[in-house]
Amino acid sequence: DAEITQSPRHKITETGRQVTLACHQTWNHNNMFWYRQDLGHGLRLIHYSYGVQDTNKGEVSDGYSVSRSNTEDLPLTLESAASSQTSVYFCASSDSRRDYRTETQYFGPGTRLLVL
Amino acid sequence: DAKTTQPTSMDCAEGRAANLPCNHSTISGNEYVYWYRQIHSQGPQYIIHGLKNNETNEMASLIITEDRKSSTLILPHATLRDTAVYYCIAGNQGGKLIFGQGTELSVKP
Repeated sequence: DAEITQSPRHKITETGRQVTLACHQTWNHNNMFWYRQDLGHGLRLIHYSYGVQDTNKGEVSDGYSVSRSNTEDLPLTLESAASSQTSVYFCASSDSRRDYRTETQYFGPGTRLLVL
Repeated sequence: DAKTTQPTSMDCAEGRAANLPCNHSTISGNEYVYWYRQIHSQGPQYIIHGLKNNETNEMASLIITEDRKSSTLILPHATLRDTAVYYCIAGNQGGKLIFGQGTELSVKP
């Protein structure tokens, strides 16, 4: 079955280190998204991509970067991890080949990141 | 995207219908209403979406008022496994979803 996976599921790192979170989907979806969720808050969009070589900033993109070299993967990099980036990170994908207004986003299981 | 307003929390008895309201008074004519839910510690899960007409699928029903300023998600026979945070989202910008705080639904035995 097609799916979307994230790795690692849990990560502890130190302030200042570079961290990369992986997201892999097997639906062949063009659109991929990264969100973060902090305790007591909804999801906030970090970065998104509409296809290979396309990346865009979301509402909370400072300190994060993404690259899209193939359809299946959108890794999220924290250039220099900060304690404020301790959060749960969710990746999602959707199929853009139909009306974008009717797209369904499929979410991964999340990565819990702790920055000490 | 239109702003949505949802109650912070609701309770529902197991086996009864759960009716979750959402106000989206600034929604544009071509914007859909989407509902997702997030069970504790899991990624959000799509439930249903609609534009004008009421919609039903295997998970839920979506009732949209005629003026489209509000909607109600109905879980016809709530179970304990329906305990989750339910997000109502009005419109999307090129496929991007803007999540609010959602409604925390507790289904009680």
